[in-house]
Amino acid sequence: AQTVTQSQPEMSVQEAETVTLSCTYDTSENNYYLFWYKQPPSRQMILVIRQEAYKQQNATENRFSVNFQKAAKSFSLKISDSQLGDTAMYFCAFTQQGAQKLVFGQGTRLTINP
Amino acid sequence: EPEVTQTPSHQVTQMGQEVILRCVPISNHLYFYWYRQILGQKVEFLVSFYNNEISEKSEIFDDQFSVERPDGSNFTLKIRSTKLEDSAMYFCASLTEANYEQYFGPGTRLTVT
Repeated sequence: AQTVTQSQPEMSVQEAETVTLSCTYDTSENNYYLFWYKQPPSRQMILVIRQEAYKQQNATENRFSVNFQKAAKSFSLKISDSQLGDTAMYFCAFTQQGAQKLVFGQGTRLTINP
Repeated sequence: EPEVTQTPSHQVTQMGQEVILRCVPISNHLYFYWYRQILGQKVEFLVSFYNNEISEKSEIFDDQFSVERPDGSNFTLKIRSTKLEDSAMYFCASLTEANYEQYFGPGTRLTVT
């Protein structure tokens, strides 16, 4: 069974700093998708960024980028120039190729301080 | 931009009562999911649904749970006899094969007293 581990329960940085959230996963599959979801206090699940395992290039979305290390099964999220609105829970998630269920990590609570 | 909607936003029920949580997925999506999140914990998969039948379910999804797509738009989760431990946020999601991204609804907070 696939598992996703986020080893940082909480993180806190100052506004405008860069922060990196860690995620590791375990799978025997070769083709899969990885995601980072943001969950603000409203508890809405918002997709931040996605990465296809077959792509070597790391995904980027504006201030958000990932460091995908397939051999190490690592998928970290970097937030540059952090903003107060980035304060939220962040969940790393995995899915096999195809329309399969998402497997989530435990989450990292990120606080951006003014 | 199309979005997944869920009703109600908050449901309070007494233990042993039946509840139905409703979702309207994005119209051209074909795969549908229910997840739940107990307060302070991670999001857990309950069930996936495709072509009018369950494609996968978790251990949580026991005989007290059922899903249905009664018409072309709604997707429902029924809990027949609620327990205190069913108190959680329930998320509906839908997916398109175009990019395998699951789009989540805003959730229904279920409180069982």
